[in-house]
Amino acid sequence: KAGVTQTPRYLIKTRGQQVTLSCSPISGHRSVSWYQQTPGQGLQFLFEYFSETQRNKGNFPGRFSGRQFSNSRSEMNVSTLELGDSALYLCASSPRQGASGYTFGSGTRLTVV
Amino acid sequence: AQSVTQLDSQVPVFEEAPVELRCNYSSSVSVYLFWYVQYPNQGLQLLLKYLSGSTLVESINGFEAEFNKSQTSFHLRKPSVHISDTAEYFCAVGDFGNEKLTFGTGTRLTIIP
Repeated sequence: KAGVTQTPRYLIKTRGQQVTLSCSPISGHRSVSWYQQTPGQGLQFLFEYFSETQRNKGNFPGRFSGRQFSNSRSEMNVSTLELGDSALYLCASSPRQGASGYTFGSGTRLTVV
Repeated sequence: AQSVTQLDSQVPVFEEAPVELRCNYSSSVSVYLFWYVQYPNQGLQLLLKYLSGSTLVESINGFEAEFNKSQTSFHLRKPSVHISDTAEYFCAVGDFGNEKLTFGTGTRLTIIP
């Protein structure tokens, strides 16, 4: 059974650009959540999508957005990139809404220069 | 609001010695608790979780954790560590009303040969 797949694994962008990250959940999982991991702030919740609807949102500016498609795949978009957006972005999928059944992907490491 | 405290940022331990990684949480509602392990340049792997029932939970690789509601703790223990246990360990708390995880700041476990 394939795990959670995040693409790309590494990304380098320039300040002011925008970026889109992708997450393909485990087959049959309908919930996708996103977390940001930085050395300074640790692991922080971004948002959760279930059945193509955002169900929960963390305390991030509006530059961070996401969506979920009918096949449960999810994308996360960050616009007007700042240096502080450099982080490991982790996606977790779950068969149902909520965190109790999470399986995490390997992450996308974004570097903003 | 929930919070998680991992008091030790780094723990060096000799190979084959026992180890305890401490985790305390704060929450006003019923919680579920996790320990995740992260190897360099990888995502989070679930080590073990407490959802309900028996307060002692075990992983397949020899780790165990005990949920102590009165002390609001979920410490992780292993009676004999191996070089391959070198990694960063994260404690996380979630609740059934607000389905996201709050993570501790992590404990870096270093095994000394």
